Amino acid sequence: ETGVTQSPTHLIKTRGQQVTLRCSSQSGHNTVSWYQQALGQGPQFIFQYYREEENGRGNFPPRFSGLQFPNYSSELNVNALELDDSALYLCASSLNKRTGGYGYTFGSGTRLTVV
Amino acid sequence: AQSVTQLGSHVSVSEGALVLLRCNYSSSVPPYLFWYVQYPNQGLQLLLKYTTGATLVKGINGFEAEFKKSETSFHLTKPSAHMSDAAEYFCAVSPSGYSTLTFGKGTMLLVSP
Repeated sequence: ETGVTQSPTHLIKTRGQQVTLRCSSQSGHNTVSWYQQALGQGPQFIFQYYREEENGRGNFPPRFSGLQFPNYSSELNVNALELDDSALYLCASSLNKRTGGYGYTFGSGTRLTVV
Repeated sequence: AQSVTQLGSHVSVSEGALVLLRCNYSSSVPPYLFWYVQYPNQGLQLLLKYTTGATLVKGINGFEAEFKKSETSFHLTKPSAHMSDAAEYFCAVSPSGYSTLTFGKGTMLLVSP
């Protein structure tokens, strides 16, 4: 049983650019959630995808968008990058949308630095 | 709405000493409560969770936590610290039946020999 895989592990982008982060969910999991963890802070919920549809969103602007594919892998896209977007982005998969917190599997994250 | 407060951004203990990491929560519905651990450059690993039933929950690596509704607390303890316990610990709350987690700011546990 594979866990959650995120790519890339590290990324440096320039302010104003766009970035795509990728996540492969654990086998059998159909729900993917994304969290942003700024330095010295706890993770903050960005959004969740369940069976290819957005199933909830945190307090993040529309330039944060996502996709979930038929194989339940997911992408997080951020447009018009700002310096404050520098953070560790965590992907978590769960068996279904109602057991998420109960049974999340987190990936190791993508460290995004915006300069 | 839910929120989590973790008292102390850093806690230092000696190896073999009691570990106590404090967590207080606010929730408008009966909460699910979690403790996660994060080692450097890694994701989050679930230590333990409370959903319903017994209020004292045991987790991995000898950690346990007690849900106290009257105090809105879910403190994490371990009788004897080990050097390998040095990491950052996050308390989180989720509305029962839903999956979004609200995390505290974390507590860094430092263990000295």
